Amino acid sequence: DTAVSQTPKYLVTQMGNDKSIKCEQNLGHDTMYWYKQDSKKFLKIMFSYNNKELIINETVPNRFSPKSPDKAHLNLHINSLELGDSAVYFCASSQVADSSYNSPLHFGNGTRLTVT
Amino acid sequence: QKEVEQDPGPLSVPEGAIVSLNCTYSNSAFQYFMWYRQYSRKGPELLMYTYSSGNKEDGRFTAQVDKSSKYISLFIRDSQPSDSATYLCAMSDTRGKLQFGAGTQVVVTP
Repeated sequence: DTAVSQTPKYLVTQMGNDKSIKCEQNLGHDTMYWYKQDSKKFLKIMFSYNNKELIINETVPNRFSPKSPDKAHLNLHINSLELGDSAVYFCASSQVADSSYNSPLHFGNGTRLTVT
Repeated sequence: QKEVEQDPGPLSVPEGAIVSLNCTYSNSAFQYFMWYRQYSRKGPELLMYTYSSGNKEDGRFTAQVDKSSKYISLFIRDSQPSDSATYLCAMSDTRGKLQFGAGTQVVVTP
């Protein structure tokens, strides 16, 4: 009964390819996020969707395109992959868009992307 | 300069010792302070949260916030090998967008 599940768990691909990561949450939350964690463990928000509507779009190359078909799903498509895209990508959800203590983030277990 | 600074460690302690972790920050608008624990190959999970200044205790864990010094701490008493993980501080202002520290890796040796 995984609350936030993302697939695939591991993704190894070559530069220039296009790949997608999928995320689903069964918590009934309204808000979903994509975070990127680099090799130094620094966790940085990329996107946030509230009820299928984009509400946070940090400074991310436009090769990254999130898509939310419904409020339980948030997918991430990456075009023309580069070496610097290698990282762990975490999907998360929260009850409302206010990701403070009264609406904490629930994270998936990450997708480890390696670009060769 | 990052908004949230956290020593990456690793911090190695013997079982039973007190683990002391801290973060400093520069944004005086931060009101909500959280600690997340991340085990290897897993996503972060919320461990503790506090609002504004003060202390909060939950079992072996104590979180402290000193807004005047822009400094937050997490203490783990009677540490266990199962406490070995990376601990990330996180904080937000009233708009709710979280800023994370880089995480401190803690290793508790039996």
